[in-house]
Amino acid sequence: GDSVTQMEGPVTLSEEAFLTINCTYTATGYPSLFWYVQYPGEGLQLLLKATKADDKGSNKGFEATYRKETTSFHLEKGSVQVSDSAVYFCAPGSGGSNYKLTFGKGTLLTVNP
Amino acid sequence: DTAVSQTPKYLVTQMGNDKSIKCEQNLGHDTMYWYKQDSKKFLKIMFSYNNKELIINETVPNRFSPKSPDKAHLNLHINSLELGDSAVYFCASSPLGVGEKLFFGSGTQLSVL
Repeated sequence: GDSVTQMEGPVTLSEEAFLTINCTYTATGYPSLFWYVQYPGEGLQLLLKATKADDKGSNKGFEATYRKETTSFHLEKGSVQVSDSAVYFCAPGSGGSNYKLTFGKGTLLTVNP
Repeated sequence: DTAVSQTPKYLVTQMGNDKSIKCEQNLGHDTMYWYKQDSKKFLKIMFSYNNKELIINETVPNRFSPKSPDKAHLNLHINSLELGDSAVYFCASSPLGVGEKLFFGSGTQLSVL
C-alpha cells in the first residue's frame, strides 16, 4: 500500500529562517501529492497540492515540487514566521474508486521570535 | 457555517464503555472518512464511505462500527473501549474523484481511563 516518510521532528527555527521538510512516498501509479497543515487544537487543512510530475504547488509562501524520479515532494519556505508553527503532513492521494490520502507521522515545526 | 462538524469535541470515559462520535458535512460531498491520530501525531485512515456505502476498511478492530445514515453523515460507534483507543478522531469529507482534497473536522479527543 501507499506510504509516506517525512523528516523527523520537531524542527525549531528562528523567525525568517529557511524551511525545508523532506517527504518521500511510495504509491501505486501516479498519485496526487498534498501538504496539509494542522494548527494547535484544529483539524488538518490543505496547504498546497500538485497533481502531476514537475508541477509546483504553492500557497502562503510555501512551495513543493512533484518529483516523480525521486518520488519526493519536499516542502520549502524562504522565510518562516511565528504563525507558521504547526504540524505539517505530506500525503499522496491515490486508489481510484477507493480514493484516500495516506498520511504519515507529521513534522512539528516551532518558529521562535 | 462549519463545513465538517464533529461532536463531541472531548470525550472522557471508562474502559469497557460504549461511545459514539457524530460527524456531519454540509458541503454536498459524496465521500466521508474517519481518521485516527495518536499521541505522536501519526494520522491513519480507518474507514471511508462513498454515498452511504463502505469502500475502505483499514483492518480496524470490529469494536469500531461506522454508520452512514445518509451521505452527509458518518458516525463512529466504539464498543468495549480500551485504553489504546485514546486518540483524536477526525472526520473528513471530499468530492468524489481522484486528486480531490479532504476537508477535515476539528477532531474529537477521546480519553479512555
